[in-house]
Amino acid sequence: DIQMTQSPSTLSASVGDRVTITCRASQSISSWLAWYQQKPGKAPKLLIYRASHLETGVPSRFSGSGSGTEFTLTISSLQPDDFATYYCQHYNTYPYPFGQGTKLEIK
Amino acid sequence: QVQLVESGGGVVQPGRSLRLSCAASGFTFSSYGMHWVRQAPGKGLEWVAVISYDGSNKYYVDSVKGRFTISRDNSKNTLYLQMTSLRAEDTAVYYCAKDPRIMTTVTLYYFDYWGQGTLVTVSS
Repeated sequence: DIQMTQSPSTLSASVGDRVTITCRASQSISSWLAWYQQKPGKAPKLLIYRASHLETGVPSRFSGSGSGTEFTLTISSLQPDDFATYYCQHYNTYPYPFGQGTKLEIK
Repeated sequence: QVQLVESGGGVVQPGRSLRLSCAASGFTFSSYGMHWVRQAPGKGLEWVAVISYDGSNKYYVDSVKGRFTISRDNSKNTLYLQMTSLRAEDTAVYYCAKDPRIMTTVTLYYFDYWGQGTLVTVSS
């Protein structure tokens, strides 16, 4: 099975900061990657699909890039609402592997 | 707007069964593939099962094969997960989630909407 590894596991940042989360696949997955945001006690929310396509309604401060085995999610200027856990997911092979998550905390 | 509402969770003893439901509204349920995804307490997300829009294709994560069954009733706009031989490691919040593509039996894709989840606790 393909494994997805995110780094860092925890990230401390301040409002206004630019932050980047990395997701690596154990083998090439082309651009079959999605990013989700999850807040405590809530369902995940789709942010990015096909590595770089912004889901409708998601603020433009979120962006995704990468292909093959290395991907990034960037938030250009952190807002208070962005403090959450972020997951990457490969979705072109079973069992739809997720990364372990990156918790974005307020510094 | 799309709404997915899970129900049926609770506390169950190891070895027993439970059926989860996911009531869908705000879209044409019968045209979209649907998934179950779970999250153990304090842990990450794990995909569990998928069913195509017409029920013709179903796939499962290895750890639940032979124990869980995904199904749907398009006349009732409802997705189900029948869980048998439950184990402590099945303890999790179970989410249903929707495929964004219409009327495809190819189930490999991302999830555009998720329900709020229902908690299943397997404990004696």
